[in-house]
Amino acid sequence: SAVISQKPSRDICQRGTSLTIQCQVDSQVTMMFWYRQQPGQSLTLIATANQGSEATYESGFVIDKFPISRPNLTFSTLTVSNMSPEDSSIYLCSVELRDLNYGYTFGSGTRLTVV
Amino acid sequence: RKEVEQDPGPFNVPEGATVAFNCTYSNSASQSFFWYRQDCRKEPKLLMSVYSSGNEDGRFTAQLNRASQYISLLIRDSKLSDSATYLCVVNTNAGKSTFGDGTTLTVKP
Repeated sequence: SAVISQKPSRDICQRGTSLTIQCQVDSQVTMMFWYRQQPGQSLTLIATANQGSEATYESGFVIDKFPISRPNLTFSTLTVSNMSPEDSSIYLCSVELRDLNYGYTFGSGTRLTVV
Repeated sequence: RKEVEQDPGPFNVPEGATVAFNCTYSNSASQSFFWYRQDCRKEPKLLMSVYSSGNEDGRFTAQLNRASQYISLLIRDSKLSDSATYLCVVNTNAGKSTFGDGTTLTVKP
């Protein structure tokens, strides 16, 4: 299965600033996914990042707030822009295991606190 | 109504007990189903896929009931190390994954 390196693992940021989270996969994958997990809640998909095209965002998430890059088949970044305390959450990237019938593997997550 | 609903828990069981979790889904077009385990402050990790015929992996048994639109996870002979949050995940054929809110299990000595 794919191995994902995600960084930073945690950060404390001032409101109004931006943070870029990186995910590096040890193999080429077609789609990468970015999730948010707020305290005590389950995972919510933010967007799907495809190489060579713009990311596809889920309802409630917009590109201006969460710009995503996908420059190649092994790497993606998610930026949390103009942060507010409500953005405090765990952000996770994931990739599919072979195909969707095999589930997903996740990065170790980025624990973001906005103060 | 949520697309994926799980037993709210928490489940507190003694070591050696058998415990079962259920998860219902609302989208009849759902194609694939999974159970993930998430330890505190860690990322979710795939525990097992759920097949139509049911499947077993050691002490863990997963079953799917398409007619009633639910999946289940049975853990036999619970270990202390089984303590975690168990997430039900449902995929549609469009590739969208929906996570349940999770069921917390605590296995006590």
